[in-house]
Amino acid sequence: GENVEQHPSTLSVQEGDSAVIKCTYSDSASNYFPWYKQELGKGPQLIIDIRSNVGEKKDQRIAVTLNKTAKHFSLHITETQPEDSAVYFCAASFTGFQKLVFGTGTRLLVSP
Amino acid sequence: DSGVTQTPKHLITATGQRVTLRCSPRSGDLSVYWYQQSLDQGLQFLIQYYNGEERAKGNILERFSAQQFPDLHSELNLSSLELGDSALYFCASSVGTDNTEAFFGQGTRLTVV
Repeated sequence: GENVEQHPSTLSVQEGDSAVIKCTYSDSASNYFPWYKQELGKGPQLIIDIRSNVGEKKDQRIAVTLNKTAKHFSLHITETQPEDSAVYFCAASFTGFQKLVFGTGTRLLVSP
Repeated sequence: DSGVTQTPKHLITATGQRVTLRCSPRSGDLSVYWYQQSLDQGLQFLIQYYNGEERAKGNILERFSAQQFPDLHSELNLSSLELGDSALYFCASSVGTDNTEAFFGQGTRLTVV
């Protein structure tokens, strides 16, 4: 079955710096890759997603890139702010496979 | 606010007991997914319902069951509870069957003592 690895497990940056979180997936049939942000005591919040027919997608300060050949996808956050501090999860799935497989999460800490 | 509502927010119960967790999906969403989040297992898919019918099963124990009602709300029933069942249980919903753009509720924290 699908397996998703996520790195790093923790990431500390200064406010204003960029943060990059990387994930790799095992099943080449995977075609949908969402990213979720989970704040303490809350449910995962969908922040951006990308499908396999697209190499990059941006939404203001966040972007996701996908390398299908290498089976990698990454989340990029620019100009980080303290409110970006949270746990970020990547996930993968493919059509017909009715579940998201999540990475193990990255705890991002943005210091003022 | 994702639009997905879960009740209760917290639940404390004893081993061997049975509990029911409730989820109301976003307006217009036909799929409901249940996930379990624990420290050692991360986010694990349990089961999916689409428009009242079971669509997919994941790592759901036989002691656990779910259903989706005609008004599309869903319930997750956990029975013969064990200490290891203590976790956060999340419900998510999406419009279609393929879990794209799935939005999560705030979760129910279950503590089994």
